[in-house]
Amino acid sequence: GENVEQHPSTLSVQEGDSAVIKCTYSDSASNYFPWYKQELGKGPQLIIDIRSNVGEKKDQRIAVTLNKTAKHFSLHITETQPEDSAVYFCAAITGGGADGLTFGKGTHLIIQP
Amino acid sequence: DVKVTQSSRYLVKRTGEKVFLECVQDMDHENMFWYRQDPGLGLRLIYFSYDVKMKEKGDIPEGYSVSREKKERFSLILESASTNQTSMYLCASSPPPWDRVMNTEAFFGQGTRLTVV
Repeated sequence: GENVEQHPSTLSVQEGDSAVIKCTYSDSASNYFPWYKQELGKGPQLIIDIRSNVGEKKDQRIAVTLNKTAKHFSLHITETQPEDSAVYFCAAITGGGADGLTFGKGTHLIIQP
Repeated sequence: DVKVTQSSRYLVKRTGEKVFLECVQDMDHENMFWYRQDPGLGLRLIYFSYDVKMKEKGDIPEGYSVSREKKERFSLILESASTNQTSMYLCASSPPPWDRVMNTEAFFGQGTRLTVV
């Protein structure tokens, strides 16, 4: 099955700086890569996703890049704000597969004022 | 707004008890999932269902079972709770079946924090 590795487990950045979280996956058949944000006391919520036919996707201050050859994808947050503090999960899935999303172990992003 | 509702935010149960965790979604989604979340381990899939009365094992099904008698409701059952099942349990649902064209968003409930003593 799919295996997703996520780094770092904790990331502390100054407010206004950029944050980058990286993930690798093992199954070359995976073709959908969402990122979820989990705030304290809440369930994860989708913030951005990318499909394997696209190399980069941007939505305001967040962007995701995908390198299919290397089997890794990254989340980039620019101009970080206090409300960006949360746990972020990457995930991967093979479309048409008979299983759910495989998640990374999560990154606790801390925005320092 | 899609809503996935888990019946309890916090539960405390005794070892050996039979425990039911309930999840209801209001968007007529075919797919429903139960995940377990533990520090340092992320989210791990326990069971999922693509249709009423249908269930499939995920990565860590041991000690759990599920029931899906109605499309909107997916129940996770701990037949005999043990202390190593103390965890946060997250239910999720998503629209049509996963396929190569229409990979779609999974919507999560707020979670049930279960403590087994």
